Amino acid sequence: DTEVTQTPKHLVMGMTNKKSLKCEQHMGHRAMYWYKQKAKKPPELMFVYSYEKLSINESVPSRFSPECPNSSLLNLHLHALQPEDSALYLCASSQGTAGSGNTIYFGEGSWLTVV
Amino acid sequence: QKEVEQNSGPLSVPEGAIASLNCTYSDRGSQSFFWYRQYSGKSPELIMFIYSNGDKEDGRFTAQLNKASQYVSLLIRDSQPSDSATYLCAVNGGSGGGADGLTFGKGTHLIIQP
Repeated sequence: DTEVTQTPKHLVMGMTNKKSLKCEQHMGHRAMYWYKQKAKKPPELMFVYSYEKLSINESVPSRFSPECPNSSLLNLHLHALQPEDSALYLCASSQGTAGSGNTIYFGEGSWLTVV
Repeated sequence: QKEVEQNSGPLSVPEGAIASLNCTYSDRGSQSFFWYRQYSGKSPELIMFIYSNGDKEDGRFTAQLNKASQYVSLLIRDSQPSDSATYLCAVNGGSGGGADGLTFGKGTHLIIQP
């Protein structure tokens, strides 16, 4: 079982709604990630937090807003999404901040449908 | 720009045989290499990681890394129907520091035929 917990597992939202995806890990990891995965495609990196600071933003539209309240929690705030944003959103974490030597563990994901 | 290439398959292997999955990468500065297994509708599950040239074995799985050729492979011995899944090759670690996430290949769809 993964030690990265994501909620909710499924979310349906309208294009005018505001919602949030939540992620929690208790492994003492200092780096946390958001990935987006469309059907039959590999995961694509969205954001990286290192020691609770945003270190990478892969040019993601501003309708996605990440937040890292503390070292164990990572949120993804959603606002004014489009139907093409429907996907599996994966949270992940790793122990260190170096680019190499870190094993990245994924949560079970949150399935998002935008209607 | 890092690129990771995999044959998308499907790769069909008889039960009990060896499944061989291959991956090439473009960034010579890459330092860490991972194989994830993903069942349909599920999240990626880490099955192997390798940092050094050569082979690394874990149960029925062997990862092989050749940095000179920028090539990493995964062998699955005694293949079982439960091994049927998409296998994602992933690479991280560039020339700088800081957590930089993973770059994934498109994945190879493996089918183990009973």
